Order: sequence, then structure tokens, then C-alpha cells
Amino acid sequence: EIVMTQSPATLSVSPGERATLSCRASQSVSSDLAWYQQKPGQAPRLLIYGASTRATGIPARFSGSGSGTEFTLTISSLQSEDFAVYYCHQYNNWLTFGGGTKVEIK
Amino acid sequence: EVQLLESGGDLVQPGGSLRLSCAASGFTFSSHAMSWVRQAPGKGLEWVSSISGSGGSTYYADSVKGRFTISRDNSKNTLYLQMNSLRAEDTAVYYCAKNLNDNSLFMDVWGQGTTVTVSS
Repeated sequence: EIVMTQSPATLSVSPGERATLSCRASQSVSSDLAWYQQKPGQAPRLLIYGASTRATGIPARFSGSGSGTEFTLTISSLQSEDFAVYYCHQYNNWLTFGGGTKVEIK
Repeated sequence: EVQLLESGGDLVQPGGSLRLSCAASGFTFSSHAMSWVRQAPGKGLEWVSSISGSGGSTYYADSVKGRFTISRDNSKNTLYLQMNSLRAEDTAVYYCAKNLNDNSLFMDVWGQGTTVTVSS
């Protein structure tokens, strides 16, 4: 099973600042990597797939990068609605998820 | 607009059974593989099972293999998850998800979830 490790577990950021979230795979997943956003009581929402392709309707302030085992989700200027938990997810070899990064207001 | 509406979640005793349903609309159901993903209280996401568009191929996580059965009725645009021999550790919100296409396990749209609680 491919293990996905996200860091940090919690990220405290002020509105308007940049947030950088990391995700590492225990073995290469090529570019088969997605990012989801989840708010309390809601289903996960797809942000990024193919490591860097924004899903339909996702604002340009969200960007993804990386390949192989190291991936990054960047939120260029945090808005109030961006405070949430973010999960990375590999679909190269079955399906596994990272443990999540909570982005909270500083 | 793609919509996925889960139902069937309930409180059930350990060892019991439950069947979840997911009604889909807004896309050609039979052209997409479908999946179930669960989230235990306060925990992360865990893939449970997937099924091909025709229903001919099914896939399961080791944690549920032999206890859960995924199926679909393409005439009713509905996905199912039959859960038997339920354990406390199966307690979770169960999400139905649409796969990108019939050849991918990647899930692009998720339902709102239905809650399963296994407790005596």
C-alpha cells in the first residue's frame, strides 16, 4: 500500500497570506495525485488532479505541483472560505489518502 | 449538474447488516465507475470499494473484503453497498463518489454522505 504523508498537520495562516502544503508518497505515484478540500460537515471537494490541473470552478489561487513522490498545494492568498482541511490522494496504485492538513486562521 | 444522494445509514449492532444506496443524476451513470469512501469520526478518508460501469469488475479494500459487496443498477442509476458482519471500526460517514470515467479509479464528484454507526 502506498502511504501518503502530509505536512504540516496544522498550518496557521493569516488571511491574504500564502499557504504551502506538502504531501509525500512512500513510492512514486507519477502525476496521479489529487487534492481535496473539506469543510466541517461537508463532503470533500476536488481542487486539483493530475498533480497540477485545477478542477472545474476552482479559483486560480489554488495551484498544485510535483511528481513522483513529492507534491505541493499552494494557496496564493488565503481567503476566509479557504480555512479547511486539505487531503492529498494518490490513484496510481489503488487508492490512498494522506492524513490531512488543517489550515486555520492565525 | 452531477448529483449523488446517499441513503441507508443507521445505527446497527455489531455483527449486523446494512445496505447503503446512492442515487445518481446529471451524467451517464453506466459510463462511469463508482466508488465508496468512508471517514471515521474525526479521522481521515479511507477508500472502501469501487465498481466498473458495467458492474462486471469490483474492487475492495482489505479491511472490508469478504464482508462488503458493491453493486449497481444502471437502469435505476443507483449504486449500492451491502455491509455484513459489521464491526465498531466500520462506524463512519460513507461517501458515494463518481469516478472520472470507466477506466479510472480517480473520483471527481462526491455525495454528501450517510452515517453508519455500529454500536450495541
